[in-house]
Amino acid sequence: KNQVEQSPQSLIILEGKNCTLQCNYTVSPFSNLRWYKQDTGRGPVSLTIMTFSENTKSNGRYTATLDADTKQSSLHITASQLSDSASYICVVASHNTNAGKSTFGDGTTLTVKP
Amino acid sequence: EPEVTQTPSHQVTQMGQEVILRCVPISNHLYFYWYRQILGQKVEFLVSFYNNEISEKSEIFDDQFSVERPDGSNFTLKIRSTKLEDSAMYFCASSEAGRFGNQPQHFGDGTRLSIL
Repeated sequence: KNQVEQSPQSLIILEGKNCTLQCNYTVSPFSNLRWYKQDTGRGPVSLTIMTFSENTKSNGRYTATLDADTKQSSLHITASQLSDSASYICVVASHNTNAGKSTFGDGTTLTVKP
Repeated sequence: EPEVTQTPSHQVTQMGQEVILRCVPISNHLYFYWYRQILGQKVEFLVSFYNNEISEKSEIFDDQFSVERPDGSNFTLKIRSTKLEDSAMYFCASSEAGRFGNQPQHFGDGTRLSIL
């Protein structure tokens, strides 16, 4: 069964600090891995998309890494801001399916405090 | 920047009633999706739609659900006879490409459906 596990479940950091969120998956065959940011009461917003051949991708202060051999990904946030407080969701798609039928993780809730 | 818009933002309906959730995807996108998120739970895929037909659906998307693109701009999700467990946030999304999905999906801000 395809699964996506994220850790930690929640995280509190001080403004200006860095943090790293983890995602482990068992989706096979792998197509791509996406990280989304979801603010409370809003829809998810795409941060990064990585395919099998990519092992790192950046979007501003967000840097995602992918190790397709160990089926692990991380999202690193640099110099956190109060606006980074949100849920961060890891989503993995399989080659056997339309992009929509991806497997979602439960998300990591990040709180950035002043 | 173009965005996906959903209406209404909140819908309250009596159990057993029909409800239609509306979405206007980004104009040049070809693939459309519905997801739902029950309060406190993960986002779940419902259905994807391309070229005026369903391309994939999940086990959740049973005969009570249907989707339609009635004109060139709207994309709707209909629930025929709502149940209490249909209470959730429903998200519409669209993308330029679908299969293997290396294009980003753009999500609307959702419709919160409350079944009484």
